[in-house]
Amino acid sequence: EIVLTQSPGTLSLSPGERAALSCRASQSVSTNYFAWYQQKPGQAPRLIIYAASSRATGVPDRFSGGGSGTDFTLTIDRLEPEDFAVYYCQQHGGSLWTFGQGTKVEIK
Amino acid sequence: QVQLVQSGGGVVQPGGSLRLSCAASGFNLNIDGMHWVRQAPGKGLEWVAFLRHDGTTKYYADSVKGRFTISRDNSKSTLYVQMDSLRAEDTAVYYCVKNYLGYFFEVWGKGTTVTVSS
Repeated sequence: EIVLTQSPGTLSLSPGERAALSCRASQSVSTNYFAWYQQKPGQAPRLIIYAASSRATGVPDRFSGGGSGTDFTLTIDRLEPEDFAVYYCQQHGGSLWTFGQGTKVEIK
Repeated sequence: QVQLVQSGGGVVQPGGSLRLSCAASGFNLNIDGMHWVRQAPGKGLEWVAFLRHDGTTKYYADSVKGRFTISRDNSKSTLYVQMDSLRAEDTAVYYCVKNYLGYFFEVWGKGTTVTVSS
């Protein structure tokens, strides 16, 4: 089973700043099978990036994803108040789907 | 509009059973694969089970294999998960989720809470 490790655990930033989130896989992951989700308190998660770098429908272009192999990143340019949330990375391999433990982006 | 309406959560004793339902609208269950994903209180997301669009393939997380069964009723456009031999560690919010491109979680239900406690 591929383990996804996200860092940092918490990111404290101010609106307008850039957020850089990392997700490291224990084995190489195909970019085709990698995604990022946003979850706000009391809500279901929302798909924001799929196939490592493609934005889901309705996701603002300040969100961008990158990386390959075992290292993936989610970048949020110019943080807006609604972007403060928990972000999870996710991969699919074989017959399993796994998530990272999450990174909380909080207001500084 | 694609929508997933969940029901069936509640409190159950350890060793007990519960069946969760997820009514789908705006799309056909036999065209898209479906998942159950759960989130324990204050914890992260854990994938639980997958049902292929044609019903031929089911996958389960090791933590629930042999105890949970995913199924669907196309005539009712409803996805189910039958949960048996429940344990305290199964306590979580359970989400049904529509698959996207075979690998991702696209449309999420609002979640239903399952509490396993004596």
